[in-house]
Amino acid sequence: AQSVTQPDIHITVSEGASLELRCNYSYGATPYLFWYVQSPGQGLQLLLKYFSGDTLVQGIKGFEAEFKRSQSSFNLRKPSVHWSDAAEYFCAVAPANAGGTSYGKLTFGQGTILTVHP
Amino acid sequence: DGGITQSPKYLFRKEGQNVTLSCEQNLNHDAMYWYRQDPGQGLRLIYYSQIVNDFQKGDIAEGYSVSREKKESFPLTVTSAQKNPTAFYLCASRLGVYSGANVLTFGAGSRLTVL
Repeated sequence: AQSVTQPDIHITVSEGASLELRCNYSYGATPYLFWYVQSPGQGLQLLLKYFSGDTLVQGIKGFEAEFKRSQSSFNLRKPSVHWSDAAEYFCAVAPANAGGTSYGKLTFGQGTILTVHP
Repeated sequence: DGGITQSPKYLFRKEGQNVTLSCEQNLNHDAMYWYRQDPGQGLRLIYYSQIVNDFQKGDIAEGYSVSREKKESFPLTVTSAQKNPTAFYLCASRLGVYSGANVLTFGAGSRLTVL
């Protein structure tokens, strides 16, 4: 079974500092990979996704993520954090090229809460 | 604008009562999903439906029921058999089954509190 680990439950950074949120997955093959962001009491918004091809993917709001097959990782980065980036971030995986009823079922990590200090 | 509407946003329930959470989408998406979110546990899949009149259990289906009579609607009933129903519930949808359509769109969620 696939699984996702986000090692950091809570991260605090200063506004303007760089950010890296870690995500490790366990899966027998290369999965589809996603990062979502959630503001308090709201639904999830897709930041970026990796299906195949270039391992460095660009997303919305200035975020990027790099897929590293050898490390089973898909870390999220941002060079300069803004106060509005404070939220909870979720990494998720889904089976790639799976058929039938398992297709599209996402497995989520536990989430990382980001606090931004002025 | 197209999107997913979940209602109510907040719901309080007494123990032993069934409650139904509404999820409506106007995105013309084929697949719909219900996730439960608890602090520090991420999201866990309750039920999903790939087409009308068909649905499948997710990882934590016990104590829940769903129906999919219309493409646009996927209501979730939290029954009295669910022992710990207090949580944030998220509905999501996806365009279709095949590659290239594998991105979930989420609603704003419904928070259920059992008194």
